[in-house]
Amino acid sequence: QVQLQESGPGLVKPSQTFSLTCTVSGASINSTIYYWSWIRQHPGKGLEWIGYIYYSGSTYYNPSLESRVTISVDTSKNQFSLKLTSVTAADTAVYYCARERLFPHWIDPWGQGTLVTVSS
Amino acid sequence: EIVLTQSPATLSLSPGDRATLSCRASQSVSSYLAWYQQKPGQAPRLLIYDASNRATGIPARFSGSGSGTDFTLTISSLEPEDFAVYYCQQRSTWPLFGGGTKVEIK
Repeated sequence: QVQLQESGPGLVKPSQTFSLTCTVSGASINSTIYYWSWIRQHPGKGLEWIGYIYYSGSTYYNPSLESRVTISVDTSKNQFSLKLTSVTAADTAVYYCARERLFPHWIDPWGQGTLVTVSS
Repeated sequence: EIVLTQSPATLSLSPGDRATLSCRASQSVSSYLAWYQQKPGQAPRLLIYDASNRATGIPARFSGSGSGTDFTLTISSLEPEDFAVYYCQQRSTWPLFGGGTKVEIK
C-alpha cells in the first residue's frame, strides 16, 4: 500500500522560505509511470495544485506560483521536497503531497497534509 | 485557463437518497475529468477518473458520466459515510479543481 507523509515546520514568518518533505513508502519514487506532486488547500477553501516532479528531476509548476516554488527529489531516500520563498499570510494552507499519473490522469493517494501557518 | 464550476454548492439529503452533483467546464476537457471526496480533517480521495472510471476500491454506488463540458457524479443511495465535500478536477495544462459541493445530512 502506497503511503505518503509530509513533514516540515508548522509556523513560518512572513518573507521567509519554508521547505516541506514528503516521504513515500510502499512504492519507489523511481517509477517511470508516476509524478510526485504538491497541492495546497487554504483554510476552508478549495484545492490548488502547486507542481510536480518526475524521478529524473524534471518539474512542472503552476504558473501562479512558479517564481517562488522549487520541487526537488532525493531518490536515495525515496523523498521529494517543496520549497516556497517570500511567503505571506496568503500562503497559509494545508500542504499535501500526492502521487500523480498523467495518462490516465488522476492524483492518488495523498498524504494526510500538514498545516503551514505564515505569521510573525 | 479552464474554469470548473460545481453545483450546487451544498446538497442537503438523507441517507438512502440519490445525490446528483454537477461539474461544468468553461471549455471542453474531453473526458479528462476526475472526482474526489474529502471528509473533514482528511485528505481528498480519488473516486472517479476519465469521467466514468471508478478508482480501485470505490463502491459501485458512485458513478460518473459526461464529456466535453458537462459532467455528473451520482451517488445512487447515500450511506452515512458519503456525507462529505466532493471536488471535480481537470487537467488541461495543469490540474485545476472545482470549488466543491458539500453533501450534508438533511
